[in-house]
Amino acid sequence: EPEVTQTPSHQVTQMGQEVILRCVPISNHLYFYWYRQILGQKVEFLVSFYNNEISEKSEIFDDQFSVERPDGSNFTLKIRSTKLEDSAMYFCASITGAGGELFFGEGSRLTVL
Amino acid sequence: GQSLEQPSEVTAVEGAIVQINCTYQTSGFYGLSWYQQHDGGAPTFLSYNALDGLEETGRFSSFLSRSDSYGYLLLQELQMKDSASYFCAVRGDSNYKLIFGSGTRLLVRP
Repeated sequence: EPEVTQTPSHQVTQMGQEVILRCVPISNHLYFYWYRQILGQKVEFLVSFYNNEISEKSEIFDDQFSVERPDGSNFTLKIRSTKLEDSAMYFCASITGAGGELFFGEGSRLTVL
Repeated sequence: GQSLEQPSEVTAVEGAIVQINCTYQTSGFYGLSWYQQHDGGAPTFLSYNALDGLEETGRFSSFLSRSDSYGYLLLQELQMKDSASYFCAVRGDSNYKLIFGSGTRLLVRP
C-alpha cells in the first residue's frame, strides 16, 4: 500500500539552528501538507502546497518557515532559526484531490534544546 | 475563523458502544472527517461525511447534521485496541484545508 514517508524520524537541534524535514508524498497525490502537533495537543495546520506553490498557510507559518518541492518526489519543510517552542511532531500529509482522505506520514519529532 | 469542540476524554468498557460528539463553527463547510491516533503514531482516516446522515464502516459509524453544525463518531463492540485519541476535522472555508479539533482521548477498560 502506498504511503507517505518522512525523514528524519527524530532530530535534536540547538536553538537558532536551521532544520530541514523531508517528506515523500504518495506518488499520484497532488496536494501536500505540513501539520504540527505539540505533545499532547491537537494536530495544527501549517501549510498546504499545490502546483509548486503555497495554496494556504496558517498564522503559525511565519517567515521562519518555508516549504519546497525541489524535485518530483520530495517535499521539504525548513525552519530557519529554531526556537524552543518549535519542539513538536511534524507530520507531512497528502491527498489526491478535493475532499480526499488525508494520508499522513509517521512524523518527524523535532526537539529544540 | 474555524473552531471545533469535542470532549477531552471518554472512558468505556470493552464490548460497549461509545459516541464521541463534535460541534463546529466555520464560515463555509465542505465536510467533517474523523481520524484516529494512537500514542506516538500518525493520524489515520476513519470516516468522512459531506452530507447529512449516517456513514457506516464496520464497527465505526459517523453522523452529520449540517443544520446543527454537529457530528458524532460511534464506535461499537469496543476493543482494547480502540484506546486512542479521536479527532474530528472540518473542511470549512476551503475544501483543501483540514482543521482538527483538540481530540478526544478514549480509554477502553476490560
